[in-house]
Amino acid sequence: DAGITQSPRHKVTETGTPVTLRCHQTENHRYMYWYRQDPGHGLRLIHYSYGVKDTDKGEVSDGYSVSRSKTEDFLLTLESATSSQTSVYFCAISRGVSNEQFFGPGTRLTVL
Amino acid sequence: GIQVEQSPPDLILQEGANSTLRCNFSDSVNNLQWFHQNPWGQLINLFYIPSGTKQNGRLSATTVATERYSLLYISSSQTTDSGVYFCATSNNAGNMLTFGGGTRLMVKP
Repeated sequence: DAGITQSPRHKVTETGTPVTLRCHQTENHRYMYWYRQDPGHGLRLIHYSYGVKDTDKGEVSDGYSVSRSKTEDFLLTLESATSSQTSVYFCAISRGVSNEQFFGPGTRLTVL
Repeated sequence: GIQVEQSPPDLILQEGANSTLRCNFSDSVNNLQWFHQNPWGQLINLFYIPSGTKQNGRLSATTVATERYSLLYISSSQTTDSGVYFCATSNNAGNMLTFGGGTRLMVKP
């Protein structure tokens, strides 16, 4: 258990509404990541953070923003949700010298 | 960026059988991990193995970094082994993982 929680675990929202997903870690890891998983696919990186207020884009960052004001929390925001953002969102941390990644339980988001 | 391909895409086994899953990657890597995604969607770490061989119970993995592939061996498969197996690699300082498409395994009793 890497001490990662995600909230909410499930959310249904309507097109055009803002949505914020939260990732919380208890072990003070420097690196945190947001990925999305779509049916029949592996995970794809949205954004990552390498410290408080230090973030960068991943492969599929369009339509998403992130913030990290505290070491333990990494927020993913959809400013105006679209149906193409219906997905399962996973948060991850890198642990230890090896940077092995561990994943949270995921958030299932449905945009109607 | 790095490309990761897994084979086979689907695999059906009878309980007790052995299997080998393959992961090919297109560039040198500093991180390679194998995950099992169970039917409830949880991602479980199996191995961190950028090179060499490791074993954990009925599972073992080998990465030949110079030839850019990794293998995951499952012996004496059980129904609880069912799910999707992902290989993921990284070759950057930020340790951003690139995932393969996965191998969907079904083990029948």
